Amino acid sequence: DAGVTQSPTHLIKTRGQQVTLRCSPKSGHDTVSWYQQALGQGPQFIFQYYEEEERQRGNFPDRFSGHQFPNYSSELNVNALLLGDSALYLCASTLRPDTDTQYFGPGTRLTVL
Amino acid sequence: KQEVTQIPAALSVPEGENLVLNCSFTDSAIYNLQWFRQDPGKGLTSLLLIQSSQREQTSGRLNASLDKSSGRSTLYIAASQPGDSATYLCAVEGGSYIPTFGRGTSLIVHP
Repeated sequence: DAGVTQSPTHLIKTRGQQVTLRCSPKSGHDTVSWYQQALGQGPQFIFQYYEEEERQRGNFPDRFSGHQFPNYSSELNVNALLLGDSALYLCASTLRPDTDTQYFGPGTRLTVL
Repeated sequence: KQEVTQIPAALSVPEGENLVLNCSFTDSAIYNLQWFRQDPGKGLTSLLLIQSSQREQTSGRLNASLDKSSGRSTLYIAASQPGDSATYLCAVEGGSYIPTFGRGTSLIVHP
C-alpha cells in the first residue's frame, strides 16, 4: 500500500518564476492538505482540498493556489516566487476532511534564488 | 489564535538517558494533540495521538501525556538511543481539524 508521494524531491527556481508541486494521497484517502515548513520552523497550513474544491485555507497570499483531480491527487502552484518561499512543502492526506489522522509525504524542497 | 510552544528547542544527551520533551498551547479547546518525528529534510511520522478526552498514550519506549486544562503535553522517551535523534514536533487540532504545530525540539542522542 503506497503512502503519500510527492514530486519532485528537490526544485530550484529564481525569483519571479512559477512552480508546480504534485502530491498523490495514500490509497483510499480523498482529502489533501498542503503545508509550508521554513527552516527551523513547524509546518504552516496552506490549504486543504476535498471533492476537488478548496475547503479551508491558511494565511497565505493568492500567489499560492491549488487543484485536486478526480483521482484525489493534488497540485500546489506558487506564482511570482519570492526568496521567502524557499521551504520544504509537505503534503498530507486523510480519509475524510474531519478526521484527525494525517499521513505526510516526504516533502518537496524548494529553493528560490 | 492557537499558539504552540516547545521547550527545549534543542537537546543533546548520552545514550540511555530518559528524556522529557515539553509542549504548551494557549487555547485549551482542542480535539486532540499529536506528536510527530521528523528526520532532517524529511516528512513527518506520527508517533502518538491523544484525544482530548484522554490523559496519555503509550507506544513502546514513548509515552505522551495531555493536561488540557493547563495547556500542556509531555513526551517521555525512555532509554534513549542514537536512532532517536530527530526533531520532535507537537501539533494541536481544534474544531477545524487543521493542526497548529510548534517549532519542534531537535534531539541528538550520542553513543
